[in-house]
Amino acid sequence: ETGVTQSPTHLIKTRGQQVTLRCSSQSGHNTVSWYQQALGQGPQFIFQYYREEENGRGNFPPRFSGLQFPNYSSELNVNALELDDSALYLCASSFGGAKETQYFGPGTRLLVL
Amino acid sequence: AQSVTQLGSHVSVSEGALVLLRCNYSSSVPPYLFWYVQYPNQGLQLLLKYTTGATLVKGINGFEAEFKKSETSFHLTKPSAHMSDAAEYFCAVIINYGQNFVFGPGTRLSVLP
Repeated sequence: ETGVTQSPTHLIKTRGQQVTLRCSSQSGHNTVSWYQQALGQGPQFIFQYYREEENGRGNFPPRFSGLQFPNYSSELNVNALELDDSALYLCASSFGGAKETQYFGPGTRLLVL
Repeated sequence: AQSVTQLGSHVSVSEGALVLLRCNYSSSVPPYLFWYVQYPNQGLQLLLKYTTGATLVKGINGFEAEFKKSETSFHLTKPSAHMSDAAEYFCAVIINYGQNFVFGPGTRLSVLP
């Protein structure tokens, strides 16, 4: 059974650029959630995708967008990068509803200069 | 809005001593409650969760937590700390049928020889 994988592991961008982060969910999982974890803080929920549809969103601006593909892998896109977007971005997959266990990937560390 | 507080951003215990990490939540309806552990440069791993039923929940690596509705608490304990328990611990809450996981700020556990 393959776990959740994320790419790239590290990324450096400059302010104003756009970035795409990728996540492959665990086999059999149909739900993917994305989180932003700033240094020294807990993860903050960005949004969740269930069967290719956005299924919930946290308090993040529209320049944070995502996609889920038929194989349930997912992308997180961030436009017009700001310095405060520097963080660890975590992807988690699960099967089904809210109480189901989420399995996290190792994250992508984004640095915006 | 739901929130999670974790008392103590850093807790130090001696090897073999009791581990107690505190978590309180604010919610007007019964929540689902989770404890996750994060080792350096890794994603989050589920330790245990409470959804319904027995309020004392046992998890992996000898950890357990008790849901106390009257105190709105879900403290994490382990009778005897091991050096390998040194990590960051996050409490999280989700409202029934919601998608928005809310994580606490985390508690860093150090285990002293």
